[in-house]
Amino acid sequence: NAGVTQTPKFRILKIGQSMTLQCTQDMNHNYMYWYRQDPGMGLKLIYYSVGAGITDKGEVPNGYNVSRSTTEDFPLRLELAAPSQTSVYFCASRWTGGNQPQHFGDGTRLSIL
Amino acid sequence: KQEVTQIPAALSVPEGENLVLNCSFTDSAIYNLQWFRQDPGKGLTSLLLIQSSQREQTSGRLNASLDKSSGRSTLYIAASQPGDSATYLCAVEKGANNLFFGTGTRLTVIP
Repeated sequence: NAGVTQTPKFRILKIGQSMTLQCTQDMNHNYMYWYRQDPGMGLKLIYYSVGAGITDKGEVPNGYNVSRSTTEDFPLRLELAAPSQTSVYFCASRWTGGNQPQHFGDGTRLSIL
Repeated sequence: KQEVTQIPAALSVPEGENLVLNCSFTDSAIYNLQWFRQDPGKGLTSLLLIQSSQREQTSGRLNASLDKSSGRSTLYIAASQPGDSATYLCAVEKGANNLFFGTGTRLTVIP
C-alpha cells in the first residue's frame, strides 16, 4: 500500500541548476497537488492538477513547472534553481475535488547553494 | 486572503492529560476544515475533516469542532499518550483546491 511516493528524499543543487521532483500515487486519485513548506510557515500551494492533461497555478507558482501526462504521475520541475527555492516539497493527492482528505507523500528536502 | 492562525506554537503536557489545540481563520466562507498530524521528516496525515455544514467530527480519542461564524476550530485530544507527540496542522479549504494552512502546534506528551 504505497500511497503517494516522492523521490528523491533529499537533494542539494547549485544555483542555476535544474531538476525534477517526482511524485507517483497508486490510489487512482484524479486530483494532485504540490506544496512547499518553509520553516515557521504554513504549506503553500505551488501547482495542482484535476486530471491528466490539466494543470493550474496555486499561490506560489513562479520558478516551477508541472505536467500531468498520466493519472499516477505529477512531476514538479525547477528550471533555474534559486536559494529562495530551498524548502521541503510535498506532493498530495485526493479522490475528488472536495470534502475528501488529501494524502501526502513524505516530502523532498531541497537545498539550493 | 484567508489567514489561518494556530496558538500556541508549542505545547507540553504530561501523559494522560486532556488537551485542546486551537485554530482560527479570518474568512468564514470555507468549504471545509481539516486537521493533520505531521511527524518529523514525514508528510501530513489527515486526522479529521469537518465539512462547512457540520459542527464536529470524532475519531477515537480525537474530537474536532468548527464554529464558522467566529472563525474557530478546536482539536480535543483525550487521555494524551507519548505517541501523540507531533505537530498538528489546521487547514481551511476555500473554494476548489485552495487549501490554506496554519503554521502548526508542536505537541510533546511527557511520559
